[in-house]
Amino acid sequence: DIHMTQSPSSLSASVGDRVTITCRASQSISNYLNWYQQKPGKAPKLLIFGASKLQSGVPSRFSGSGSGTDFTLTISSLQPEDFATYYCQQSYSTPSFTFGPGTKVDV
Amino acid sequence: QVQLVQSGAEVMQPGSSVKVSCKASGDTFRKYAISWVRQAPGQGLEWMGGIIPTFGTTNYAQRFQGRVTITADESTSTAYMDLSSLRSEDTAMYYCATGPIVVIAAKPYCYFMDVWGKGTTVTVAS
Repeated sequence: DIHMTQSPSSLSASVGDRVTITCRASQSISNYLNWYQQKPGKAPKLLIFGASKLQSGVPSRFSGSGSGTDFTLTISSLQPEDFATYYCQQSYSTPSFTFGPGTKVDV
Repeated sequence: QVQLVQSGAEVMQPGSSVKVSCKASGDTFRKYAISWVRQAPGQGLEWMGGIIPTFGTTNYAQRFQGRVTITADESTSTAYMDLSSLRSEDTAMYYCATGPIVVIAAKPYCYFMDVWGKGTTVTVAS
C-alpha cells in the first residue's frame, strides 16, 4: 500500500503570507497526486489534480508541483477564506486511493 | 455538473448495519466513478471504496473488506454504501464523491474526486 505523509501537520500564518505544504509518498506515484481543501463542517473541495492542474474555479493563488515522491501545495498570498485543512491524495493506485493526514492552516 | 444528495443522519446500535445513499442529479451517472470517504470526529479523510456503475466494478480498502458493500442503481442514479458489524469506531461523517472516468485500453480509471456530497453522519452507540 502507498503511504502518504504531510508536513507540517499544522501551521500558523497571516493574511498575505506565502504558504507551502509538503506531501510525500512512500513510493513513486509519478504525478498522480491531488490536493483538497476542507473547511470545518464542510465536504472536501478539489483544488489541484495531476500534481499541478488547477481545478476549474479555484483561484490562481493556489499552485501545485512535484512528481515521483515529493509534492508541494503553495498558496501565494493567503486570504481569509484559505484558513482550512489541506489533504493530499494519491491516485497512482486507482481504483484505490490514499489520503495524507492533513495540514491545518490557521491564524 | 453532477450534484450529489446523501441520505440523512443515522444512529445505529453496535453490531448492526447501516446503508447510506447518494443520489446524483444534473448529469448522467454513467460518466462517473463513485467513491465513499469517511471522516471520524477530528480525524482525517479515509477512502473506503468505490464503484464504477457503467463497468460494474467495485473496489474496497483492505481494512473494510468483508464489512462494506458498495452498490449502484443506474435507473435512479443512486449509489449505496452498506457497512456491517458496526462498532463505536465507525462513528463518522460519510461522504460520497464522484470523479470522471477515463477509459484506457478498455479499462476504466478515475484519478480524482471533483464533486462531493454534503455528508451523512453515522453515530454508533448503545
